Amino acid sequence: NAGVTQTPKFRILKIGQSMTLQCTQDMNHNYMYWYRQDPGMGLKLIYYSVGAGITDKGEVPNGYNVSRSTTEDFPLRLELAAPSQTSVYFCASSYSTIPDQPQHFGDGTRLSIL
Amino acid sequence: EDKVVQSPLSLVVHEGDTVTLNCSYEVTNFRSLLWYKQEKKAPTFLFMLTSSGIEKKSGRLSSILDKKELSSILNITATQTGDSAIYLCAGRGSSNTGKLIFGQGTTLQVKP
Repeated sequence: NAGVTQTPKFRILKIGQSMTLQCTQDMNHNYMYWYRQDPGMGLKLIYYSVGAGITDKGEVPNGYNVSRSTTEDFPLRLELAAPSQTSVYFCASSYSTIPDQPQHFGDGTRLSIL
Repeated sequence: EDKVVQSPLSLVVHEGDTVTLNCSYEVTNFRSLLWYKQEKKAPTFLFMLTSSGIEKKSGRLSSILDKKELSSILNITATQTGDSAIYLCAGRGSSNTGKLIFGQGTTLQVKP
């Protein structure tokens, strides 16, 4: 099973550029999440989705956008990249919240903004 | 504001030692606490705890939740170099979104 797949694995952007981080899962999970991880800061939730067509903001949504047109895909878009968005980005998914289920993570995208 | 705090932030031990990692939480309408292990890439799931006082165990790793103290511990006995990783604790409230609030993580280094 592929699980949660993120592309690209690494990317360097210039300030002001835009890009889309891709996330796809093949587990038929309804719930999907985007996190960023900065050194010593744990994971912070950027956006999440409880199903196709439904998205909402997490703790740190500024500078990002998402869409969820299918159950499988949950892309994260960075508009006007800034150095503060240099981070490792993780996508995660889970099947349900009742009963509680753990989230499964992709391998991450390491993004540098120069 | 919900928060999860882990301690210590980093720890260096030798193979064979026993370690205890701590996690305290303030999560509105708390429902569950999760532990993850993160090596080079994706965090991988270890335990999910919902009931106070019931120990979850997997090999040399075990974890327990104390709802009175709003805390959890993760124990690793007879540590091995392969246990070197960041250990993440996350709390979940009762909303149907499944959102997790993560602590800062504890970086464990096990020396041979």
